Amino acid sequence: DIQMTQSPSSLSASVGDRVTITCRASQSISSYLNWYQQKPGKAPKLLIYAASSLQSGVPSRFSGSGSGTDFTLTISSLQPEDFATYYCQQSYSTPPGTFGPGTKVDIK
Amino acid sequence: EVQLVESGGGLVQPGGSLRLSCAASGFTFSSYWMSWVRQAPGKGLEWVANIKQDGSEKYYVDSVKGRFTISRDNAKNSLYLQMNSLRAEDTAVYYCARDDRKQQLGYYYYYMDVWGKGTTVTVSS
Repeated sequence: DIQMTQSPSSLSASVGDRVTITCRASQSISSYLNWYQQKPGKAPKLLIYAASSLQSGVPSRFSGSGSGTDFTLTISSLQPEDFATYYCQQSYSTPPGTFGPGTKVDIK
Repeated sequence: EVQLVESGGGLVQPGGSLRLSCAASGFTFSSYWMSWVRQAPGKGLEWVANIKQDGSEKYYVDSVKGRFTISRDNAKNSLYLQMNSLRAEDTAVYYCARDDRKQQLGYYYYYMDVWGKGTTVTVSS
């Protein structure tokens, strides 16, 4: 199975900061990479699919990039509602669609 | 409104059984693959199983193979997860999710775009 890692596991940031989260796959997954946001006690929400395509309704401050094994999720200007945990997920080799361990973004 | 609503969670003893349900509305349920994803307390997301539109293909994570069965009833717009021989490590919030895909440059990209709020399963004596 393909293994996914994320870094950092957590970060503290301020409103207005530019935030970057990295996801790495154990083998090449082309652009088969999704990003989800999850707030405490809530279901995950799809942000990005195909590494860089913004899901409908998601603010444009979110962007994704990368291909092969290395990917990034960037929040250009962090907003109060963006404090959450972010997960990457590979959809290259499914099942299973392996998730990364998550990156928690909290308030500095 | 597109919606998924899970039910059926609860407290069960190790070795026991539980059947989760997921009611879909607001979209053509029979046109989509569907998945179950779980999240143990304080942990990350783990895909559990998925099922093709007509139920002819089913896939499971290794840790539940032979114990869990995914099924669906398209006439009732419902997805199910029958969980047998439950273990403490199955304790989690269980989400149902819609599998969708987009075609880009001749390739299909898969993702889960609609999620229910989840139902909690606790396996404990």
